[in-house]
Amino acid sequence: AQTVTQSQPEMSVQEAETVTLSCTYDTSENNYYLFWYKQPPSRQMILVIRQEAYKQQNATENRFSVNFQKAAKSFSLKISDSQLGDTAMYFCAFMKANAGGTSYGKLTFGQGTILTVHP
Amino acid sequence: NAGVTQTPKFQVLKTGQSMTLQCAQDMNHEYMSWYRQDPGMGLRLIHYSVGAGITDQGEVPNGYNVSRSTTEDFPLRLLSAAPSQTSVYFCASSEGGTFSYEQYFGPGTRLTVT
Repeated sequence: AQTVTQSQPEMSVQEAETVTLSCTYDTSENNYYLFWYKQPPSRQMILVIRQEAYKQQNATENRFSVNFQKAAKSFSLKISDSQLGDTAMYFCAFMKANAGGTSYGKLTFGQGTILTVHP
Repeated sequence: NAGVTQTPKFQVLKTGQSMTLQCAQDMNHEYMSWYRQDPGMGLRLIHYSVGAGITDQGEVPNGYNVSRSTTEDFPLRLLSAAPSQTSVYFCASSEGGTFSYEQYFGPGTRLTVT
């Protein structure tokens, strides 16, 4: 079984500044995906970014980037130029993949980090 | 496409009552799953299905039943509600195969058991 740990229950940042959310995971699997999901007050789960374990290059999506350290089992999310709309709960999540990259769509989530962006 | 829909959005039950949370998707996805979200614990997998007629337990299955008679629907049944089942419930679906990592979540159902 795998576990995902987010050790920061709450974080805050000023608008336009940069913030990094931490995530560590434990697994014996070699093929997997890692995700960051955003959950605003609307409760909707929104995918922020995805990283395939076999890729050494860190994923980026506009203002969002990750620092994926496979050996250390660490997967942090950096949000640059923070905006008020980034205020939300953020979840780190793990999905085991089969050798061909398929999976059963089963996610293991961390506890979440509440991010507040202040004007 | 409506995506993943869940009904109801809110529900209050008394201890011992039964109910079914509905989940439907119109994307012809093979995989569907149910999660519950509790404060400080993230989302935890209750049950999942890899196709019509095939279901399996997740991390926290006790107190919940599922069945999947069609590709589109994956209802979650609480046979005898308990206060410990007070939570927000999410249904999710994805394609099978190499795109199974792309999960589509429903809007959630907030359930309170008194």
